[in-house]
Amino acid sequence: EVQLLESGGGLVQPGGSLRLSCAASGFTFNIYAMSWVRQAPGKGLEWVSGIRGSGGGTYYADSVKGRFTISRDNSKNTLHLQMNSLRAEDTAVYYCAKVRSSITILGGMDVWGQGTTVTVSS
Amino acid sequence: QSALTQPASVSGSPGQSITISCTGTSSDIGTYNYVSWYQQHPGKAPKLMISDVSSRPSGVPDRFSGSKSGNTASLTISGLQTEDEADYYCSSYKSSNTLVFGGGTKLTVL
Repeated sequence: EVQLLESGGGLVQPGGSLRLSCAASGFTFNIYAMSWVRQAPGKGLEWVSGIRGSGGGTYYADSVKGRFTISRDNSKNTLHLQMNSLRAEDTAVYYCAKVRSSITILGGMDVWGQGTTVTVSS
Repeated sequence: QSALTQPASVSGSPGQSITISCTGTSSDIGTYNYVSWYQQHPGKAPKLMISDVSSRPSGVPDRFSGSKSGNTASLTISGLQTEDEADYYCSSYKSSNTLVFGGGTKLTVL
């Protein structure tokens, strides 16, 4: 079964850091680009960051550029999101998602995790 | 990145057809054929319904179809069913290697 399982969410103070992880199973992880997408409470979806299957290219939304770092460990089928200098507006459910096509980096995402909640508050 | 523009809500009766629009610019929808549509029920993760403007993943009913004209993409649902009631989001690849979502449309099946 194709599956993504996020972990690492929690409560953190403004200015703090958090590292999210996403464990993948059921597909050949290293040939698919992956993304992180977040959803603030009661709001819509916002793309956060994406990474090529090889890990050789990383992409960020302007809202997180310079603060967040996406990475992947293809030997462990795991995707990460290191989040630094967190702000209240980063509070959201964070989803990891697999891109449907093996030749597209930022295309349709056909497999999603259940999400992990990040709350930034003092 | 500016969000794509979707209507806040649409509604229809069972059996009817509805269309949700998604308007972007020449930097995203107008240039690239990487438009996707997602369905999200409350408290659930999004589900891919359409990718690459009009391609349906396996398991998605053929009642769902996608199209694009100029800077506007559209999702059409024919033969509306009660379980189609959900939020729908469009997304598009945007120049400079980013992805942008629409604000979402709440579909009510009356």
